[in-house]
Amino acid sequence: AQSVAQPEDQVNVAEGNPLTVKCTYSVSGNPYLFWYVQYPNRGLQFLLKYITGDNLVKGSYGFEAEFNKSQTSFHLKKPSALVSDSALYFCAVRDHGQNFVFGPGTRLSVLP
Amino acid sequence: NAGVTQTPKFQVLKTGQSMTLQCAQDMNHEYMSWYRQDPGMGLRLIHYSVGAGITDQGEVPNGYNVSRSTTEDFPLRLLSAAPSQTSVYFCASSPPRGKGDEQFFGPGTRLTVL
Repeated sequence: AQSVAQPEDQVNVAEGNPLTVKCTYSVSGNPYLFWYVQYPNRGLQFLLKYITGDNLVKGSYGFEAEFNKSQTSFHLKKPSALVSDSALYFCAVRDHGQNFVFGPGTRLSVLP
Repeated sequence: NAGVTQTPKFQVLKTGQSMTLQCAQDMNHEYMSWYRQDPGMGLRLIHYSVGAGITDQGEVPNGYNVSRSTTEDFPLRLLSAAPSQTSVYFCASSPPRGKGDEQFFGPGTRLTVL
């Protein structure tokens, strides 16, 4: 069965510093991987996805993620964090049966 | 495009009451799903549908029913509400795997069962 792990419940980073939110996955076959962001009292918003091709994918708001097949990881990154990036981030994988499996979420706090 | 809409935004029920959470999408997506979000547990899949007339159970289906009579609508019914069903509920839709893929989420329904 497919699964997604986000090993950090909380990530704190100073504004202007680079940020990384970690994700590892377990899935049979080629993974379809996603990152979503959730702001308080809002639904989830799509940030980026990896389906095939270049291992480094770029998404909304300056975020990018690197797919690493050998480490089964899909870490979310941003070169320079903003206070407005503070939110809850979810990694997800889509299986061959169409369903999405989400990680437990990582709360990112960017400190001014 | 309105995207994915959900009603109501907030609801308070008493134990044993029933209700229907409405979900609609105007993107002609075949796949629709319902999740519940609880603190520290991420999103858990309740039910899903891969097209009109087809529904199936997810990870936590007990106490919930769904139907999919049209492509656009995917209501979630709570049969007899219990305090354990206090949660935030999200509806989502997406194209089939291989045809776009990302899910679009509604704004959520915050449900409290007393």
